[in-house]
Amino acid sequence: EDQVTQSPEALRLQEGESSSLNCSYTVSGLRGLFWYRQDPGKGPEFLFTLYSAGEEKEKERLKATLTKKESFLHITAPKPEDSATYLCAVAGGTNAGKSTFGDGTTLTVKP
Amino acid sequence: DAGVIQSPRHEVTEMGQEVTLRCKPISGHDYLFWYRQTMMRGLELLIYFNNNVPIDDSGMPEDRFSAKMPNASFSTLKIQPSEPRDSAVYFCASRPRQGNEKLFFGSGTQLSVL
Repeated sequence: EDQVTQSPEALRLQEGESSSLNCSYTVSGLRGLFWYRQDPGKGPEFLFTLYSAGEEKEKERLKATLTKKESFLHITAPKPEDSATYLCAVAGGTNAGKSTFGDGTTLTVKP
Repeated sequence: DAGVIQSPRHEVTEMGQEVTLRCKPISGHDYLFWYRQTMMRGLELLIYFNNNVPIDDSGMPEDRFSAKMPNASFSTLKIQPSEPRDSAVYFCASRPRQGNEKLFFGSGTQLSVL
């Protein structure tokens, strides 16, 4: 069974204070690892897909990286508008149609 | 594109009543997913369809839950009878063909069972 564990559960940063979110996973035959952003009262919104170890993706202040066991979402010089819950998910080969989600990291960036 | 459309946005009902949640996926998407989100259990997959056919319903909590997809543009999730522990946010998501697992989520239905 695919499993995803995210840490920390919550992270409070000052504006401009860079940090990283962690996503550890176990999956049989990784088809993709995904990062989503979820704002209160809304559905998750896609950020990145990573397919193989060593791959990196960037978008504005966010950078996602992938190893064989975990992924990191690096946030550089965050702004208050980056405050949200960040969800990690994996899609595996045994049941390729579905994504299994972690519980998320709630990020709060104070001005 | 209007995105994934769910209705209603909020539903308040009493224990024992039937609840029907509705979803219109993005046109052309082959897959449709129903997820439930709670503080305690996070985002859980209930069931998903491929080309209107249910593929995996192992996440459906019990027989009180049922889902249908009569055509490519409409799906329902029904709870009968509803119980207070069913209170959660229910999300519908869709995605295109195999090999592109990025999900597009609707805004969700906030269900409260009193």
